[in-house]
Amino acid sequence: EAQVTQNPRYLITVTGKKLTVTCSQNMNHEYMSWYRQDPGLGLRQIYYSMNVEVTDKGDVPEGYKVSRKEKRNFPLILESPSPNQTSLYFCASSLGLLGRGEETQYFGPGTRLLVL
Amino acid sequence: GEDVEQSLFLSVREGDSSVINCTYTDSSSTYLYWYKQEPGAGLQLLTYIFSNMDMKQDQRLTVLLNKKDKHLSLRIADTQTGDSAIYFCAETLSGNTPLVFGKGTRLSVIA
Repeated sequence: EAQVTQNPRYLITVTGKKLTVTCSQNMNHEYMSWYRQDPGLGLRQIYYSMNVEVTDKGDVPEGYKVSRKEKRNFPLILESPSPNQTSLYFCASSLGLLGRGEETQYFGPGTRLLVL
Repeated sequence: GEDVEQSLFLSVREGDSSVINCTYTDSSSTYLYWYKQEPGAGLQLLTYIFSNMDMKQDQRLTVLLNKKDKHLSLRIADTQTGDSAIYFCAETLSGNTPLVFGKGTRLSVIA
């Protein structure tokens, strides 16, 4: 089954304690992306990756890091989490960048993070 | 810069039609999308339309695009309680840029 998986699904942590949210896709997609969703703000892109070892900043990259060492995995790293990073995070992947309508973007189930 | 605007809430009665509207600012957008997010879940692509089309119909869904006014709408016929969700409009400007999402419209269907 084609899917994007994220772990953990829920996480409560404290300010400053490094954490990693994993994302994995089994569709051999080149393009992967991280979003955060906040009430009234919709989805905002944090980082994206067009292929292995190729990453770029989205709209709200501050406080986050990513890596793309393998095609299937795209972890999101918060080196020193702060309360304003409390949010719902989504990972997504697609075969390529979305210039062609049939290339849908698949979303993971989301990771709800609370930073105290 | 690009921006995608949507109204935040819409409430309709079961069986009525729902119309969710979206405006975008960049006339060079190539594809425009509608995504659905059910409670506790990720986004799911509902439909898309290419910028050289005016309309696309897919079962109960009709997408209308007015490129001159940069206005996109999603009509859901015979709205059901299972259609209650947040609907996101999104655009991509070219083959090399990521999607830009609107803030989402929360559709509530009243039985």
